[in-house]
Amino acid sequence: DAKTTQPPSMDCAEGRAANLPCNHSTISGNEYVYWYRQIHSQGPQYIIHGLKNNETNEMASLIITEDRKSSTLILPHATLRDTAVYYCIVRPYSGNTPLVFGKGTRLSVIA
Amino acid sequence: DSGVTQTPKHLITATGQRVTLRCSPRSGDLSVYWYQQSLDQGLQFLIQYYNGEERAKGNILERFSAQQFPDLHSELNLSSLELGDSALYFCASSVDRSSGTYNEQFFGPGTRLTVL
Repeated sequence: DAKTTQPPSMDCAEGRAANLPCNHSTISGNEYVYWYRQIHSQGPQYIIHGLKNNETNEMASLIITEDRKSSTLILPHATLRDTAVYYCIVRPYSGNTPLVFGKGTRLSVIA
Repeated sequence: DSGVTQTPKHLITATGQRVTLRCSPRSGDLSVYWYQQSLDQGLQFLIQYYNGEERAKGNILERFSAQQFPDLHSELNLSSLELGDSALYFCASSVDRSSGTYNEQFFGPGTRLTVL
């Protein structure tokens, strides 16, 4: 079973920041938080991952709370093309392991 | 474009038949993962191969099998097909660096299997 909890759906206005929360209260010290998204029925796409520090790349920012029990994925300026299902996944440090997908959050970006 | 290719894109077949799905990983990636996405089960891990050897098994039925060849491409074989096997099948690959810190998976576009 997935070890994360996400809201089933969220809306965001185009051009605004989309903040997607994830609870992972049972995360272990050696587990990373990964975010993927799936646009319509395409293959899931890697977004970002982190251990305990905040991370930023060209797609998004990841904010992890100090106790690591929750995190927030931030899309700074959402566009219509960001409409997708977003999956938050915890994964061991070794990384060479399968991804366990939950139900994710369906983000709808509205014009 | 993730660099992972899957063929065919669509497959329509009848119950009881056997099909083979093919995946070519990104250049240099040693690990291949297969996932199934159905409407009621979501995305589920089936099986992982690393450099030709089976590494991990998930919810893969006995009617399903896979292999990874010396050129690292992989095939997923589905036999005695049932209506419930209709789904999207994704292949993903990753580098599996020994450091373990940067092993994101890259997914192919998927094969949509319809069993009639």
